[in-house]
Amino acid sequence: AQSVTQPDIHITVSEGASLELRCNYSYGATPYLFWYVQSPGQGLQLLLKYFSGDTLVQGIKGFEAEFKRSQSSFNLRKPSVHWSDAAEYFCAVTSGTYKYIFGTGTRLKVLA
Amino acid sequence: DGGITQSPKYLFRKEGQNVTLSCEQNLNHDAMYWYRQDPGQGLRLIYYSQIVNDFQKGDIAEGYSVSREKKESFPLTVTSAQKNPTAFYLCASTLMGTGNTIYFGEGSWLTVV
Repeated sequence: AQSVTQPDIHITVSEGASLELRCNYSYGATPYLFWYVQSPGQGLQLLLKYFSGDTLVQGIKGFEAEFKRSQSSFNLRKPSVHWSDAAEYFCAVTSGTYKYIFGTGTRLKVLA
Repeated sequence: DGGITQSPKYLFRKEGQNVTLSCEQNLNHDAMYWYRQDPGQGLRLIYYSQIVNDFQKGDIAEGYSVSREKKESFPLTVTSAQKNPTAFYLCASTLMGTGNTIYFGEGSWLTVV
């Protein structure tokens, strides 16, 4: 069965530190992968997506993610976190049909 | 501006009442979705529709109903049969096709009082 795992429920980092949020997927076919960010009480905003080609994907707000097929991972990274990055982050996968599978999210806290 | 509009943002319901959440999109997207979000559980699919006058149950459809009479509109009714309706509801839409991005509205909070 298709699934997405975000192993870290909560992550706390200091402002200016680097960030890596983990995402592992289970999928038989070529996956299409996404990262979204959600501020409290708001909808989800797309950060970046991977369809094919270059495995390092650049997104908005200085985020990037790397697709590693051998590890079934699509980890999100940012070299220097800002206080405004505090939010919840969701990884998602689709096969190209109607169905989108979301992880349970990672809540990021940023210390001043 | 193109986007997905959900209304109302906040809704309070008495037990035993049905309520309808509105979702309208002007993105000319084919498919529309309703998700429920509870703390620590991520997004769970309630219903989706790929075309007008057709929709399918998602993983947690019991106690909910939808209609798709127009391409741009996909209202969700939370019925009195839904045992625990207090949650954050998200509407989403996408173009049909391979791996298209799914876009979300701003969400609606429903509280049963």
